[in-house]
Amino acid sequence: ILNVEQSPQSLHVQEGDSTNFTCSFPSSNFYALHWYRWETAKSPEALFVMTLNGDEKKKGRISATLNTKEGYSYLYIKGSQPEDSATYLCAFIGDSGYALNFGKGTSLLVTP
Amino acid sequence: SQTIHQWPATLVQPVGSPLSLECTVEGTSNPNLYWYRQAAGRGLQLLFYSVGIGQISSEVPQNLSASRPQDRQFILSSKKLLLSDSGFYLCAWGTGGNQPQHFGDGTRLSIL
Repeated sequence: ILNVEQSPQSLHVQEGDSTNFTCSFPSSNFYALHWYRWETAKSPEALFVMTLNGDEKKKGRISATLNTKEGYSYLYIKGSQPEDSATYLCAFIGDSGYALNFGKGTSLLVTP
Repeated sequence: SQTIHQWPATLVQPVGSPLSLECTVEGTSNPNLYWYRQAAGRGLQLLFYSVGIGQISSEVPQNLSASRPQDRQFILSSKKLLLSDSGFYLCAWGTGGNQPQHFGDGTRLSIL
């Protein structure tokens, strides 16, 4: 079992605030890094899959960066909205090429 | 389009009883299939994955087993449930580690 750490554990921001979360993972035997959003009473939904050092991906107000050499990824949300409230999970794939190792997630609450 | 079905949504079982959770995927061939569990207060943990019929990889030694009798069917079983088997079970499919996984709606399993 590979150690994937996410911080902070939870976050409460006001509507319009920008925020970011951190995911740290083993820097050796890297294959891919996934980000998912998990809303209450729904199933996890994929945000990004990142494979190359220096990757930056963007979907609307959400973006992510990847540093495989130092083993971290950042997820940014610009201008948070109440509908962004969810748990954000990152998951690391090592040399198996298949097995996702999830962090415990960052729980985000955005209030109007 | 591809869909994933997982049932039942909730299940209450006595300790020592058997378990069978089923997951099926439609709209794709030869998917990679996954079973995850989220125990109370913990992150998503990969239990089993399968890259083809009859091929099962176990990530964590435990009281559970998995089978893939058909290309798009993945079954999670136990002969005798333990209290520690309680949790939220998610099935997922994907096409490789550099592609996102797609999750079912989950099964909430309570052991009494």
